Amino acid sequence: GQQLNQSPQSMFIQEGEDVSMNCTSSSIFNTWLWYKQDPGEGPVLLIALYKAGELTSNGRLTAQFGITRKDSFLNISASIPSDVGIYFCAGHPSRNQFYFGTGTSLTVIP
Amino acid sequence: EPEVTQTPSHQVTQMGQEVILRCVPISNHLYFYWYRQILGQKVEFLVSFYNNEISEKSEIFDDQFSVERPDGSNFTLKIRSTKLEDSAMYFCASSQQGAGNSPLHFGNGTRLTVT
Repeated sequence: GQQLNQSPQSMFIQEGEDVSMNCTSSSIFNTWLWYKQDPGEGPVLLIALYKAGELTSNGRLTAQFGITRKDSFLNISASIPSDVGIYFCAGHPSRNQFYFGTGTSLTVIP
Repeated sequence: EPEVTQTPSHQVTQMGQEVILRCVPISNHLYFYWYRQILGQKVEFLVSFYNNEISEKSEIFDDQFSVERPDGSNFTLKIRSTKLEDSAMYFCASSQQGAGNSPLHFGNGTRLTVT
């Protein structure tokens, strides 16, 4: 299957700090999605991106679809304790499936 | 807000047994998916389903697995002759349009434990 690498693998930050994470693929994607997963629950959609260069915000979250179509970035501003969780990117290369990234585990220290 | 529901939340089965995992997708969605997540690992695509047939499947989705939409609301994943390595969280997802046009919405998963 497709390889989607996320970095960093984990982050430990102080409450109030900004967070940046990214996702890169070995091939071109047509759609990028960002999800957050809490323990024991399903992934919850945060942001969907459909065009190269697109920059989309959802509250304190901002994501961008890279111009090369091989990467995407997620930023969280002014982190709060409930931001804790695992963040996954997912990419759609073609046809009817999404591939998920390896995940970034975020810990926010109050 | 409409959501994808999955039952049961936890299923324990003995090796070699068959299990059926059930999902009710969001009502106006047309595309359905099953994904698997082994503990501590990433979410892996199994299969997508549209218009009463499989549209994509991964190499994981071999003859041991099958999917069905038995009526207008349910979408099931059957695993025959379960193996220890089938233990994982199984997530159902649905989307209104195809993968390139609308995002996937996930249920809370069924935790399958094979003993």
